[in-house]
Amino acid sequence: GAVVSQHPSRVICKSGTSVKIECRSLDFQATTMFWYRQFPKQSLMLMATSNEGSKATYEQGVEKDKFLINHASLTLSTLTVTSAHPEDSSFYICSADRGGTTEAFFGQGTRLTVV
Amino acid sequence: DAKTTQPTSMDCAEGRAANLPCNHSTISGNEYVYWYRQIHSQGPQYIIHGLKNNETNEMASLIITEDRKSSTLILPHATLRDTAVYYCIVRVVSNYQLIWGAGTKLIIKP
Repeated sequence: GAVVSQHPSRVICKSGTSVKIECRSLDFQATTMFWYRQFPKQSLMLMATSNEGSKATYEQGVEKDKFLINHASLTLSTLTVTSAHPEDSSFYICSADRGGTTEAFFGQGTRLTVV
Repeated sequence: DAKTTQPTSMDCAEGRAANLPCNHSTISGNEYVYWYRQIHSQGPQYIIHGLKNNETNEMASLIITEDRKSSTLILPHATLRDTAVYYCIVRVVSNYQLIWGAGTKLIIKP
């Protein structure tokens, strides 16, 4: 199956700093990518939908100025958590979609810990 | 958008078939049923999907009722590595979003 690579898998940062997470589709072009956040023992919560070459669409309650999403190419989307705080600590997951009725492919996830 | 309901948790003996039910009574005619699973601290893994007909692949079988209001995922010979949270999801065709429910925590016991 198609491969989505997410990097880093784990990051610890200091409060107030920014962290960038990359999501790459390795063997297909992804016109749409999705970013999720998952808190312990909870389901995935969609944060935003990212389309190549256009602005991301954020879900209600997600601060677009805090979670910057860039989808500059058909194989790369980035999520930057700006001015991170401990409450931003979570598991962040991206997925890439080839469209149509095929399945979405998920990255390995990034465990962010803000100290 | 159609929502799904699943049991919170299930146990299954190793080597037996694991049958995971899902209700999606408000599904519309052009929405697919997808199944994913998530092993602890990993990204979700695609298992199978279907529209109307039953489907089978190397991982599992998907049985969809004739009225499409429910489905069952079958893992034919469960192993300890199948312990995970299993999500039944209805695909929103218009914008390709996946709407995630709480899932079923499946525990395979030796």
